[in-house]
Amino acid sequence: DAGITQSPRYKITETGRQVTLMCHQTWSHSYMFWYRQDLGHGLRLIYYSAAADITDKGEVPDGYVVSRSKTENFPLTLESATRSQTSVYFCASSERTGDLAEAFFGQGTRLTVV
Amino acid sequence: TQLLEQSPQFLSIQEGENLTVYCNSSSVFSSLQWYRQEPGEGPVLLVTVVTGGEVKKLKRLTFQFGDARKDSSLHITAAQPGDTGLYLCAGAKGGNQGGKLIFGQGTELSVKP
Repeated sequence: DAGITQSPRYKITETGRQVTLMCHQTWSHSYMFWYRQDLGHGLRLIYYSAAADITDKGEVPDGYVVSRSKTENFPLTLESATRSQTSVYFCASSERTGDLAEAFFGQGTRLTVV
Repeated sequence: TQLLEQSPQFLSIQEGENLTVYCNSSSVFSSLQWYRQEPGEGPVLLVTVVTGGEVKKLKRLTFQFGDARKDSSLHITAAQPGDTGLYLCAGAKGGNQGGKLIFGQGTELSVKP
């Protein structure tokens, strides 16, 4: 199916463990993003990528690692999970046309760190 | 510090009332977008405004981009329960950061029948 999919939808992990959230898009969009959503903060940008092998930090990158070896995949890794990383994580993709860039979002991954 | 400030953060109104949500920044944006998010789902784009002073209408929703391209507003006329949701503004900086979108903290709207 065309679109953007995230996996898993729900994840519970323990403090200190490494966990990877997956994101896959079928549109071949250039841009991909990872956001976290917490009450009162809206969506905060963690990392983004303008193309394969090009990534850059967003507003809250500490504790996270990303890679983009293929255009369609953009995994997010929490190297050593902490309770403050409990959140809902959204992946998005977009294709810039001039200064316009509509973002298409996945359904989110709800991560709980215990 | 939030680059885009939305107000109010929470709004509870009765069906049929009008409301306005504001999105303000000290930065200039090449474009501003408004998204709507329902529980358990990702945000979905409602509209993009590009030109300073631009006004766009989407049925009962009216979007305006400030003349200086630093702020935007969303006005809903005769709100309905189906308008309930989280409304998010997002700004694109343009230039070599044109694809990067920064979001405000959102306005949680509840419309009671």
